[in-house]
Amino acid sequence: ETGVTQTPRHLVMGMTNKKSLKCEQHLGHNAMYWYKQSAKKPLELMFVYSLEERVENNSVPSRFSPECPNSSHLFLHLHTLQPEDSALYLCASSQGTSGYEQFFGPGTRLTVL
Amino acid sequence: DAKTTQPTSMDCAEGRAANLPCNHSTISGNEYVYWYRQIHSQGPQYIIHGLKNNETNEMASLIITEDRKSSTLILPHATLRDTAVYYCIVRVGPGGYQKVTFGIGTKLQVIP
Repeated sequence: ETGVTQTPRHLVMGMTNKKSLKCEQHLGHNAMYWYKQSAKKPLELMFVYSLEERVENNSVPSRFSPECPNSSHLFLHLHTLQPEDSALYLCASSQGTSGYEQFFGPGTRLTVL
Repeated sequence: DAKTTQPTSMDCAEGRAANLPCNHSTISGNEYVYWYRQIHSQGPQYIIHGLKNNETNEMASLIITEDRKSSTLILPHATLRDTAVYYCIVRVGPGGYQKVTFGIGTKLQVIP
């Protein structure tokens, strides 16, 4: 695999379920990001990890819980979500010290029933 | 980071050059101009960036005005696969993590 991968690509869950989104980057980057993109809205930055430490949390509800066990992997744990949380969740990575651009994964399309 | 202003939508005939403008009148001296695009329901893709000189790569050209208050992304020969939302972003250069703020962007429709 190359670049940034995300699994699953599609997820349907009930409001009482617990699920996790996974992101893996194969680029040797040291920063990883979660974004949310709701229908007809701009991308919203949710979390940023730099060198495996969370450095940004943009007032995201606690029902979203990120985890970065190492520089290549990023998870987003989901529990007791609401229907308005249905969106495309995008993961990205960058090389914080020398890279100019963020590399995005294909996203996970989440539907909360 | 400086705010950018882009037209909401544009059309371009296939095979013609697509010129996408961006205004960033409050840009600071250490801020770069970046362009990304997002094809429907996919993750955004980096296109090009520049500080003050014009830049060209295999995807596009970036023209930055001398006062750096505006720029234009040029796709020299637009194809149907270039139909996407194009985002102009201004932020400081590399160093540390990158907090990128995406606006609404310009929806480019390439017409056969």
